Amino acid sequence: EAGVTQSPTHLIKTRGQQATLRCSPISGHTSVYWYQQALGLGLQFLLWYDEGEERNRGNFPPRFSGRQFPNYSSELNVNALELEDSALYLCASNPSSGSYNEQFFGPGTRLTVL
Amino acid sequence: QQQVKQSPQSLIVQKGGISIINCAYENTAFDYFPWYQQFPGKGPALLIAIRPDVSEKKEGRFTISFNKSAKQFSLHIMDSQPGDSATYFCAATIQGLIFGKGTRLHILP
Repeated sequence: EAGVTQSPTHLIKTRGQQATLRCSPISGHTSVYWYQQALGLGLQFLLWYDEGEERNRGNFPPRFSGRQFPNYSSELNVNALELEDSALYLCASNPSSGSYNEQFFGPGTRLTVL
Repeated sequence: QQQVKQSPQSLIVQKGGISIINCAYENTAFDYFPWYQQFPGKGPALLIAIRPDVSEKKEGRFTISFNKSAKQFSLHIMDSQPGDSATYFCAATIQGLIFGKGTRLHILP
């Protein structure tokens, strides 16, 4: 069974640009979570999507947004990039709505903002 | 109240020793407490998890001890091996995992 996949592996942008990150969950998983892992700050919860709807978001500004497609894949968009947005962005999936257990993580997208 | 506090930040243990990582939380609504292991360049992988109605859970060399009244839980790695060298995160759930800041564990060969 294929795990969670993310693309691209690395992304380099300049300040003010927009970044789009993609995630494909494990087959059969309907929930997708996004996390930011910045150096020294651990993993911070960003967004949770389930059945195409945004269910919850962490303490991040509105320029962090995303969506979930009918096939349950997801996209994270970061607008007006700032230097401090440089981080590893992790996507995780799990099988069912309302169950936060056993989230399976992808390898992440390393975003560098210059 | 949403925080999960993890200690120590880094830990060095001799091969064969016991590695102990501690976490504390405030929000009594948390109902699931997983530990994740992360190797460089990889996403975190679920290692072991516990619910608050259980005081201890053991899987192989890994044990979680849970103290509901103290709002603390810990990971014990018995017979620590160099392959256990990684960053470990404790977490708690409330509509998305709340992670501790991680412990970088290094096992000396």
